[in-house]
Formats: sequence, structure tokens, C-alpha cells
Amino acid sequence: RKEVEQDPGPFNVPEGATVAFNCTYSNSASQSFFWYRQDCRKEPKLLMSVYSSGNEDGRFTAQLNRASQYISLLIRDSKLSDSATYLCVVTGSQGNLIFGKGTKLSVKP
Amino acid sequence: EAGVAQSPRYKIIEKRQSVAFWCNPISGHATLYWYQQILGQGPKLLIQFQNNGVVDDSQLPKDRFSAERLKGVDSTLKIQPAKLEDSAVYLCASSLVTGTRSSYNSPLHFGNGTRLTVT
Repeated sequence: RKEVEQDPGPFNVPEGATVAFNCTYSNSASQSFFWYRQDCRKEPKLLMSVYSSGNEDGRFTAQLNRASQYISLLIRDSKLSDSATYLCVVTGSQGNLIFGKGTKLSVKP
Repeated sequence: EAGVAQSPRYKIIEKRQSVAFWCNPISGHATLYWYQQILGQGPKLLIQFQNNGVVDDSQLPKDRFSAERLKGVDSTLKIQPAKLEDSAVYLCASSLVTGTRSSYNSPLHFGNGTRLTVT
């Protein structure tokens, strides 16, 4: 099983739609979870950390399910500017941060 | 707050040549990382430094890649000799806190990256 797995997509959604991504991880001892956003030909940028109780930042909601070892990202009321690749990041077995391959989102008018 | 600085932004070399990349992390960040990102994939960790010591270099191809962070601040990553499959974006990142195997890690802050093309 890969350390971090994501559906590569692409997810093509209309403006205003709600879209959700999941990410599974293999290290049950992981303590740090993040979602990063990466625009085409740009560096990854932190979107939000993921906390045990779940957390929300505007239109974005992140959840952690330790029992099933996955994290999720929900985007409500999608905007054109949300089009990007969303990278799941989890603590690996060596204590470092492991990136998933990313899920591509395309929001259409 | 100044971000992570990297140079050069772009580099084109022929296979078997050498190349070096430079990174200056955010001031006060003890941990520095070099990632390799091949088109269509997520960043892959090459090496992680805590101050001037190596924490993890298990995925660094040591026959051709080397990295150093002599004074615990700036870092250089070198490839010698380069191969075609080394074409990628090389991202430097820094963070405040690095955990042990299971403890908390603070988020990474990335530089703009160096886009390497090997022909």
C-alpha cells in the first residue's frame, strides 16, 4: 500500500458546485495532516492543516478519519479560481512529510 | 517575512553535465527540505536537514546527487552527472518544527523551485 494515495481526477465541476476529495494514508501513527494547493507551474502552497476534530476555513472543510485512515477536503460554492491540483500531505513512517500525487480540479463557468 | 529563496529559476543542461541549485530558507526555520517533482506527480523528498545535520536522505540517489547545509542556513543540491530522467522541478522548502516518527510537523513553506531540463 502506498504511503499516501489520492484519486488523480480530473474533477470537472461547474461553478457553484460542491466537490470533495479523499486521501488515504498507510501510517497509522501519523500525526500531521495538510492540504496543499498547487497551481500550474507554481510551487505548492499550504491550503489548510487538518485537525482531529475537523476544521473549516471559509468554503473549505477538512476532516480526518483515523479509524479508516483517510482525510478529506470539501469545497463548497466552487469558484473558477479554485481550479488547481490539491495535494494531500501526511507524516510518513520516517517522520517526514509525504505528498500524494495530487487531485486535479477544474471548475468551469 | 521573506519567503524561501531559490536559484536559478530555470536550467537547461546536457546529460552527463553537472548542475547545482541553491536555497535560502525562511529565517529561523531549522528544517530544510529538497523535493523533486516530476511532471504530473507529487513532490518526492530527496533530503531533509535539521540545522546542518541530515535527518533523512533515504531517497537521494547518492551516486549522482549530493546536498549540503554547512552552516545550518543556506543549502546547495548538486547533480553530477545528470541523466535525462532528472528533468524535473527541484523544490526547496523549510519549516519551523520537525517531529519524530509520529509527532507533529509544522507546515512546509516552498520556494519557487528550479525547473531543470536535461537534454
